[in-house]
Amino acid sequence: AQKVTQAQTEISVVEKEDVTLDCVYETRDTTYYLFWYKQPPSGELVFLIRRNSFDEQNEISGRYSWNFQKSTSSFNFTITASQVVDSAVYFCALRISGSARQLTFGSGTQLTVLP
Amino acid sequence: DVKVTQSSRYLVKRTGEKVFLECVQDMDHENMFWYRQDPGLGLRLIYFSYDVKMKEKGDIPEGYSVSREKKERFSLILESASTNQTSMYLCASSPMTNYNEQFFGPGTRLTVL
Repeated sequence: AQKVTQAQTEISVVEKEDVTLDCVYETRDTTYYLFWYKQPPSGELVFLIRRNSFDEQNEISGRYSWNFQKSTSSFNFTITASQVVDSAVYFCALRISGSARQLTFGSGTQLTVLP
Repeated sequence: DVKVTQSSRYLVKRTGEKVFLECVQDMDHENMFWYRQDPGLGLRLIYFSYDVKMKEKGDIPEGYSVSREKKERFSLILESASTNQTSMYLCASSPMTNYNEQFFGPGTRLTVL
């Protein structure tokens, strides 16, 4: 069975601080996909990034960066120079190959960026 | 612009009522999903469908049923609503290829009194 753990339930930072959201996953499959979603107060989940298990290259997109490490089964998400608009719930999710069935979600991290 | 729409943002029902939650996607996706979201539990899969008239149970199907008569529409049915079904319900869709992300609707916050 798959499992995704987001140990940080809530994080609060002051604007312009950097913040890292942790994600640890468990799966016995060798081929899988990892995702990050953002859920702003409006409620709709917004896709941020997808990573497959064969690609451990870190990725940067503007102020966002992702650190994928198979050795520690982690897929952490860092926001640099946080802004108030980054305030949201962030979910990490896992899907195994061959399963269009579902995403296994973590419990989410509520990020609050204070002005 | 891809779109998943849900029939209501907020819904209030009484215990024992039959409740229909509708979801429509305009992306010609094969897969459609219903999740419920509760604080501290993340998103949990109720049912999903990979084709018209096809459905599979997710992790928490008890008390729910679904219907998919057309490719673009996936309905979640609460046969007899109970207070423990008060939750946020999220619909999603995705293409058949399993590396693709799911696209989510805005959610329906259901309160059962």
